[in-house]
Amino acid sequence: DVKVTQSSRYLVKRTGEKVFLECVQDMDHENMFWYRQDPGLGLRLIYFSYDVKMKEKGDIPEGYSVSREKKERFSLILESASTNQTSMYLCASSYTSGYTDTQYFGPGTRLTVL
Amino acid sequence: KNQVEQSPQSLIILEGKNCTLQCNYTVSPFSNLRWYKQDTGRGPVSLTIMTFSENTKSNGRYTATLDADTKQSSLHITASQLSDSASFICVVSAGGNYQLIWGAGTKLIIKP
Repeated sequence: DVKVTQSSRYLVKRTGEKVFLECVQDMDHENMFWYRQDPGLGLRLIYFSYDVKMKEKGDIPEGYSVSREKKERFSLILESASTNQTSMYLCASSYTSGYTDTQYFGPGTRLTVL
Repeated sequence: KNQVEQSPQSLIILEGKNCTLQCNYTVSPFSNLRWYKQDTGRGPVSLTIMTFSENTKSNGRYTATLDADTKQSSLHITASQLSDSASFICVVSAGGNYQLIWGAGTKLIIKP
């Protein structure tokens, strides 16, 4: 079974704080993704990585950065948290096998920025 | 603009009944269409993936259909169970995992 874990289920931070969200997968997947999910909207891709130290911007990268130093770990960084970054953050991973790669998701981190 | 629209937004049915969820998309180019199930407080879990040449795919009591001509998909749930209470999300790929367009989901509630 693929397992994707995220460091926290719930997180409360103050405006201006630096926030780290960690994601670890145990299936040796090349690809890893960070999404945010807000009520009434579809998942929106923040960043993705297709290899160690490689990263690509998704649809909404502003205010975020990422780090992938090891294949199994993908970190999302909020340099200076703002209230509009209050959201559910979902990490996913996948193995590249063509155009029908299944993404496996972690349980999510619900971040509240006060 | 690439879009995926799902209907209804929410649905309440009695346990044991069948239901059908709808997905309309305007995505180009089209690569594949996926249905995910997301339990409350959890990440989405893949149910089915269909390419343009497939018009139906089943996963247990879940059957997805795809009409690439009309750009519509449906997810039919047979003999619903309380564990089907979840959000069901339609996702269309414009080319691999990096170009996924996610619908907002249909929230399904099964009442005993």
